[in-house]
Amino acid sequence: AQSVAQPEDQVNVAEGNPLTVKCTYSVSGNPYLFWYVQYPNRGLQFLLKYITGDNLVKGSYGFEAEFNKSQTSFHLKKPSALVSDSALYFCAVRARGNTGKLIFGQGTTLQVKP
Amino acid sequence: NAGVTQTPKFQVLKTGQSMTLQCAQDMNHEYMSWYRQDPGMGLRLIHYSVGAGITDQGEVPNGYNVSRSTTEDFPLRLLSAAPSQTSVYFCASSLWTGTSGSYEQYFGPGTRLTVT
Repeated sequence: AQSVAQPEDQVNVAEGNPLTVKCTYSVSGNPYLFWYVQYPNRGLQFLLKYITGDNLVKGSYGFEAEFNKSQTSFHLKKPSALVSDSALYFCAVRARGNTGKLIFGQGTTLQVKP
Repeated sequence: NAGVTQTPKFQVLKTGQSMTLQCAQDMNHEYMSWYRQDPGMGLRLIHYSVGAGITDQGEVPNGYNVSRSTTEDFPLRLLSAAPSQTSVYFCASSLWTGTSGSYEQYFGPGTRLTVT
C-alpha cells in the first residue's frame, strides 16, 4: 500500500533563512512524487514533481526538492524563505503503472516570520 | 478555461439527508478524483476515475458514491449524511495516459460541508 509521512506538523523559519519541509514515502517500485501548496481558504496548487532522472527537482516560486531513493524521502527546500511562503504544504505519491491512486501526506504548516 | 469548478461552495445538511457535490472541468482531463480534507488528516482520497465509465475506490469510500458519464463531470453523492462527513471536499483533475501517473492535478476551490 502507498503511504506518505510528513513528520512535522509545523515548521518555523525566519525570513531569508533556508527552509526544509520533510516527506518520506512508502510505495512498491519507483514512485512519482509531488509537492502541493495550499493558501488559506484555497484549493491546492502544484509546486513540483519528480518523475525520473536528476534527483534535484526545481519548481515554482524558487522551491526545489531532493529525491533520495535509499532514504525514501522527497524533502522540499528553498534557499531563502519569504513571508509569503507561509502556507500549508502537502507531499503526495503515486505508484508507477496503471493505478490511479495519488496519496497525500497530512500536511506541514510553514510559518515564515519577518 | 474555467479549470475545475465545484458547486456549492458551502452546504449544511441534517443527518440522514442526501446530496450531490458537483465537479466539472473544461481541460479534457481523463483523470478526476475527490478528496476530503480534515484537520490533521491531510487529504484523503474518496473515489477516482480514469475516464468516462470507469471509477474506483480510494482510501475512504464508505458513504459516498460516484459515477462518470462524461469526461467533464464527476459528481460525488452522499447517500445518507452523517456528522462524520463534515469536511472540506476537493475535486481534482489531470491528464492520464493509462500507464503514466506523472501528470500533476488541478484542484477546484472546494466545498465546505457541515452535517448537523
